[in-house]
Amino acid sequence: GESVGLHLPTLSVQEGDNSIINCAYSNSASDYFIWYKQESGKGPQFIIDIRSNMDKRQGQRVTVLLNKTVKHLSLQIAATQPGDSAVYFCAENSGGSNYKLTFGKGTLLTVNP
Amino acid sequence: ETGVTQSPTHLIKTRGQQVTLRCSSQSGHNTVSWYQQALGQGPQFIFQYYREEENGRGNFPPRFSGLQFPNYSSELNVNALELDDSALYLCASNQGGGTSYEQYFGPGTRLTVT
Repeated sequence: GESVGLHLPTLSVQEGDNSIINCAYSNSASDYFIWYKQESGKGPQFIIDIRSNMDKRQGQRVTVLLNKTVKHLSLQIAATQPGDSAVYFCAENSGGSNYKLTFGKGTLLTVNP
Repeated sequence: ETGVTQSPTHLIKTRGQQVTLRCSSQSGHNTVSWYQQALGQGPQFIFQYYREEENGRGNFPPRFSGLQFPNYSSELNVNALELDDSALYLCASNQGGGTSYEQYFGPGTRLTVT
């Protein structure tokens, strides 16, 4: 069946360090992937997305890498700040034109000052 | 903030009761998706509405139903509430029809079933 999972449920980093959050997906037909950040008591916040015809996409302080060979997705956060502390979810669109996101369980990122 | 609003913020219901949750989509968005997020889990897709029609459904029983109105706001209805329905219910909107996949989430409604 379809599933999206994360290798690390928790990640603790020092302020200023770079963070890498990993995600594995199982549906090779997925054509679109998104990273969301969710702070306590709030809805998921869009961070960055990538289509399956790309390997890498960069945003402000964030980079998403997609390796379709091993079905792996990663989110890199440069110069991590305390405000980056949150749960991060990867999600994949496996519904084609019936756009349906399948989320992983999430990784809790804690940034220590 | 995304511009997607949900009401109410919190709700407590008794098992067997019915509940209606509401969502207003971001301006310019014609597609609304609903998700259920249990504590400590990722959101699970319930269903999606595009231009007032259901456009895909996840693995949820028929007692979960929805509506989308001409202004693209949406309702999620759950009948015969069960204890396991306790969760954060999220709605997300996007400009559908292949225009954009970016979904923007509201803050959610916390439903507690006792």
